[in-house]
Amino acid sequence: DTAVSQTPKYLVTQMGNDKSIKCEQNLGHDTMYWYKQDSKKFLKIMFSYNNKELIINETVPNRFSPKSPDKAHLNLHINSLELGDSAVYFCASSPGTGELFFGEGSRLTVL
Amino acid sequence: GEDVEQSLFLSVREGDSSVINCTYTDSSSTYLYWYKQEPGAGLQLLTYIFSNMDMKQDQRLTVLLNKKDKHLSLRIADTQTGDSAIYFCAVSAGNKLTFGGGTRVLVKP
Repeated sequence: DTAVSQTPKYLVTQMGNDKSIKCEQNLGHDTMYWYKQDSKKFLKIMFSYNNKELIINETVPNRFSPKSPDKAHLNLHINSLELGDSAVYFCASSPGTGELFFGEGSRLTVL
Repeated sequence: GEDVEQSLFLSVREGDSSVINCTYTDSSSTYLYWYKQEPGAGLQLLTYIFSNMDMKQDQRLTVLLNKKDKHLSLRIADTQTGDSAIYFCAVSAGNKLTFGGGTRVLVKP
C-alpha cells in the first residue's frame, strides 16, 4: 500500500482555471506538508498542518488554499492559475521527528 | 531564516567514492538529513544525524558533521549506477525542515 498518495499525478490546465490536488497518508502521522519543487529542483515548503491545524504558512499567494478535513488528508486548492504555478507539488507527512515521507508528486503544467 | 547550500552537480565513476557537501547557517538545528530523489519520484530519506554526533555510518553511506564550520557531507562508497539521483541535505529547526538546492549525482560506467 502506498504510504503517501497524491492525485492527480499529472495536471495540465489553462491559465485562470481553478484546480485541486489531493493527498492522503495511511501512516498515522499527525503532521502533513505541501512542498513546491520548481524546474531547477529547488524545494520550498508551502504549508504544514498538525492534526488538522495550520502551523506553517510560508509566503504563498492567497490563491493557494490548503484544506485538511482530517489528519490523514491535506488537499491543495489553487485559484486563478498562473504560468508561474507550473511545478511539481509534493505532499509529505511526518511522525514529528523531522523525517518526512513524500508522495510521488503532482506535476502541474499551466498553459 | 535557515539557509542551506549545496553544489549543483557531481560526476563520479562507478566503483569510486562520491562525496556530497552541504553548508547551513542555523547552529540550533537538531537533526540533519540526507534525502535521495530519483527521476519522477518523491524524496526518500537516506540517513540522518543528530547534531551531537560527528559521524554516522550506515552500510555504504557515511555522514560527517562539522558543527563548528556548519558543514555536512555524505560519502557514498563503491558508487553504483543506481546511485545516480539528486541528493538533498535538509536541516530541521522546530517544525520546519529546510532543504538545500540538491546535488545531481551522475555515475558513469
